[in-house]
Amino acid sequence: NAGVTQTPKFRILKIGQSMTLQCTQDMNHNYMYWYRQDPGMGLKLIYYSVGAGITDKGEVPNGYNVSRSTTEDFPLRLELAAPSQTSVYFCASSYGTGGYEQYFGPGTRLTVT
Amino acid sequence: AQSVTQLDSQVPVFEEAPVELRCNYSSSVSVYLFWYVQYPNQGLQLLLKYLSGSTLVKGINGFEAEFNKSQTSFHLRKPSVHISDTAEYFCAVSDDYKLSFGAGTTVTVRA
Repeated sequence: NAGVTQTPKFRILKIGQSMTLQCTQDMNHNYMYWYRQDPGMGLKLIYYSVGAGITDKGEVPNGYNVSRSTTEDFPLRLELAAPSQTSVYFCASSYGTGGYEQYFGPGTRLTVT
Repeated sequence: AQSVTQLDSQVPVFEEAPVELRCNYSSSVSVYLFWYVQYPNQGLQLLLKYLSGSTLVKGINGFEAEFNKSQTSFHLRKPSVHISDTAEYFCAVSDDYKLSFGAGTTVTVRA
């Protein structure tokens, strides 16, 4: 199993550009998550999904959008990129909630200049 | 609402010495507690978790953690560290859908 994969690994965007961060998992997990990691801040939840067609906002959703058309894929869309979105983005998935482990992808390092 | 406080942002330690990483949490309901490790330029992976039962939890790579309900703490320990333990460590608490992370503790192991 590949687990959770993310593309691209690195990206530089200009202010105002848009992009989609891709996330795919092959573990047939219903639950998927997007986090951003900023130095000294830990991970903050952007959006999550409890199954295909169902998504909800996390702590820091502004400036982002998601969709979940299949169990495997959970892309994160950035519209009108801003310098404040410079961060490392992690996708994760889990079989369930509560005490279930979340499995993380390798991350996407995004710089907006 | 739940929150996690990791009391040390950086912990330098010599190889083969013990290390303890401190974590306190707050929550109004019963929680599940986790420690994740992030090696340089990688994603997070689970070290160990507490769901219920014995308050001493053993994880991978010789790490263990003790759940203390009265002190709302979940401190992580390793009796003898290796250079390869150099990483960032995150304490996290979950009640339902949401996993809340602490700010992280960077452990640097020196020879």
